[in-house]
This record gives sequence, C-alpha cells and structure tokens, in this order.
Amino acid sequence: KNEVEQSPQNLTAQEGEFITINCSYSVGISALHWLQQHPGGGIVSLFMLSSGKKKHGRLIATINIQEKHSSLHITASHPRDSAVYICAVPPYSGGGADGLTFGKGTHLIIQP
Amino acid sequence: NAGVTQTPKFRILKIGQSMTLQCAQDMNHNYMYWYRQDPGMGLKLIYYSVGAGITDKGEVPNGYNVSRSTTEDFPLRLELAAPSQTSVYFCASSAQVGYTFGSGTRLTVV
Repeated sequence: KNEVEQSPQNLTAQEGEFITINCSYSVGISALHWLQQHPGGGIVSLFMLSSGKKKHGRLIATINIQEKHSSLHITASHPRDSAVYICAVPPYSGGGADGLTFGKGTHLIIQP
Repeated sequence: NAGVTQTPKFRILKIGQSMTLQCAQDMNHNYMYWYRQDPGMGLKLIYYSVGAGITDKGEVPNGYNVSRSTTEDFPLRLELAAPSQTSVYFCASSAQVGYTFGSGTRLTVV
C-alpha cells in the first residue's frame, strides 16, 4: 500500500516569498493530487497530475514519476495562501477507484 | 452546479445514539467516498462506492454503514456512536478529471 510523506510539516514565510512543498510516495501511481484546506474549511482540489508540470495562477505542481516525487510551488506568496496543503495518491499502483491515500499535510502560514 | 453537498455541518451526539450523515452530488460521478479526518492525521477512507448498489469497506469501516441506492446519494450511518468517532467527516466524488469534496461534517460524540 502506498505511503505518502510530505515535507515540511510546518512552514512560515513572509509575503512574497517563493514556497516549495514536497511529497514522496512509495508505489508507482497513475496520478497524484494536490489539495488545499483552509482552517475550519473544506477541501479543494488544486491539481491532478500524472507527468511533467501544471500551472494555475501562482501555483505550480511538478511530478517525477521515476523518483516518485512531486513538488508544489507558490510564487509571490500572499497571506491568503495560508492553508494546509495535502498530497494524495492512489493506495495501489494503477488504482484509483478505491480512494486515495493522503499525506498528513503541510501547514503553511504567510505573514504580511 | 452544487458539486458535493454534505449535511449537517455540525452535530453533537451522545454515546450510543445513531445518526446519518447525508451526501449528495449532482455531477453524475460513479465513484463516491467517505473519509474521516483526525487532528494530525491524514484523511482515512471509511467506505467507498463505484456505482449505485455497490459499496465496499475502506481502511476504517468499523462502526459505520453505507448504502448507495442512487448515483447521487451516498449516506453514512453511525450506529451506537462512540467517542472514538469524534472527527471531521468528508464526502467526495470522483471522475477522470479528479476529486470534488464536500464541505465536511464536524461530529462530536460526548
């Protein structure tokens, strides 16, 4: 069964800084998900990617399938980016119908 | 397009009581899921369904039951609530383009 490790667990940065959050997993997958959760809030899907890189606004997600590693980058960070960022993958190789295995999340705080 | 709708948002239960968490989606997704989120832990899968009439256990199914009579609805039933079921519950649905989550139900069992 896939295991997901995220780093760092906590990150505090100043507004405008470039942010990187890392995710490693143990079993080959079809796609990896990055999710965002604001304090007390729901969960929003940011990216689903299976190769290369995706960009949405100031958010960039990359994945290296061979190294079983993904990164989430935030450019020109802003206090509204403060949230928990969660990496998730299928529990088994080639899977997906039976849900996701989640990392514990990275708590990001952007100070003005 | 409402996405995934969960009710209620908050609930306090006494030990031994029962309740049903409601989940409905309007995207015609076949796959639906129930997760629980405990402090400091990743979300854990309780039950999932790949279509109407088909359900299966996830990682932490004990103390819960589900049904899937229609594509839209996937209710989660708690029988004989216990303090260990205090958690935040998320319903989700998925298709080829990814996952959509409900806004969550914060449940406290006292």
